[in-house]
Amino acid sequence: NAGVTQTPKFRILKIGQSMTLQCAQDMNHNYMYWYRQDPGMGLKLIYYSVGAGITDKGEVPNGYNVSRSTTEDFPLRLELAAPSQTSVYFCASSSPSGGGLPLHFGNGTRLTVT
Amino acid sequence: AQKVTQAQTEISVVEKEDVTLDCVYETRDTTYYLFWYKQPPSGELVFLIRRNSFDEQNEISGRYSWNFQKSTSSFNFTITASQVVDSAVYFCALRGQGAQKLVFGQGTRLTINP
Repeated sequence: NAGVTQTPKFRILKIGQSMTLQCAQDMNHNYMYWYRQDPGMGLKLIYYSVGAGITDKGEVPNGYNVSRSTTEDFPLRLELAAPSQTSVYFCASSSPSGGGLPLHFGNGTRLTVT
Repeated sequence: AQKVTQAQTEISVVEKEDVTLDCVYETRDTTYYLFWYKQPPSGELVFLIRRNSFDEQNEISGRYSWNFQKSTSSFNFTITASQVVDSAVYFCALRGQGAQKLVFGQGTRLTINP
């Protein structure tokens, strides 16, 4: 069972470069999320999606874009990378079910912008 | 707005001691869900427990126990007879009824010394 798969695991970007963090889940979950975790901090929500074609902003959306063309995939795009985007990025998914089901997390992507 | 506060940034104890991690939450929802996640040094996020707001029974799972008190808006986590493998960052999280978003606390870094 793959669960939530994130690629790549690590990436170093130069300031101003762009990249896409990939996230795929095979659990047929409607809800998908992107969080970032800065060193020593909790997780902050960047974007989330409640189904294909529907996305919404979280707490810290600036500098990022998302799309959800299929139930399985939820890529996160960084345009014009900045040092402030150095972080660990986690993708997660869950079933709707009124909010009571836990999120399943991928193993994270560690991004450094220099 | 929903908020989770984990006031203990870091805790360090000697193996076999009992330790309690505090979690205080704020929400206006009458139905909500509380979660604990563990993040070991390897970095992944591991789901530990979910509690809904209308079930205040304490829960025990081996050396782990959780004390949910609506009167004080707290959902504390106790590890009995701690072990070195319990060393991790522990996150408390909150999700409202029908809410898509999971809000995390800042996390508590727990170090168990041999």
